[in-house]
Amino acid sequence: QSALTQPRSVSGSPGQSVTISCTGTSDEVGGYNYVSWYQQHPGTPPKLMIYAVTRRPSGVPDRFSGSKSGNTASLTISGLQAEDEADYYCSSYAGSYTFVFGGGTTLTVL
Amino acid sequence: QLQLQESGPGLVKPSETLSLTCSVSNDSIITSRRFWGWIRQPPGKGLEWIASIYYNGGAYYNPSLQSRVTISVDTSKNQISLNLKSVTAADATVYYCVRHTGEYRSGFDSWGQGIPVAVSS
Repeated sequence: QSALTQPRSVSGSPGQSVTISCTGTSDEVGGYNYVSWYQQHPGTPPKLMIYAVTRRPSGVPDRFSGSKSGNTASLTISGLQAEDEADYYCSSYAGSYTFVFGGGTTLTVL
Repeated sequence: QLQLQESGPGLVKPSETLSLTCSVSNDSIITSRRFWGWIRQPPGKGLEWIASIYYNGGAYYNPSLQSRVTISVDTSKNQISLNLKSVTAADATVYYCVRHTGEYRSGFDSWGQGIPVAVSS
């Protein structure tokens, strides 16, 4: 299993939108509609933001949205806020009851 | 509110076995009908899924770690445990206890605070 590919960093100004990509293969991202996204602030555990590609857990703002096209999934954050500055990780079900994660993307709010 | 609390030694010697326990509060491993698992995160790096288990003991493992890892469940104590044998410096990371979403494949909706583990003689 290889890690999913994410950009090391992205940035945006308050109020803008940013998109974080997560590229895999047909063995995971492209093969299943089970991509999830996690937000992690320094010193805290990851928090589930999106699951099953597009679904938001209760309590997650609708500024966060997920999508997928082929072997690439995306997390879009609209109306950027200062508290959105964090690391973001994607994950995908990879078959045979296994999971793979991306290397993480650092979002900077300018 | 669900609480996941990891416990175990903060320091393990190379070649020895790391044993961690996760105590689950405010949810039942049995009646929740959820899978529970372990994920780790090397300092400054990404996440790695290790293993997951159901209340009846059914377990799944990361193929890259399977030969060294055992996950177990103690329903009487509402705990899951992780054993990782023959540890090396590469196993020195933060270990998180997690709960799967209602659908196993959808991800992990609850995380413990994590326990850092160092490997040194």
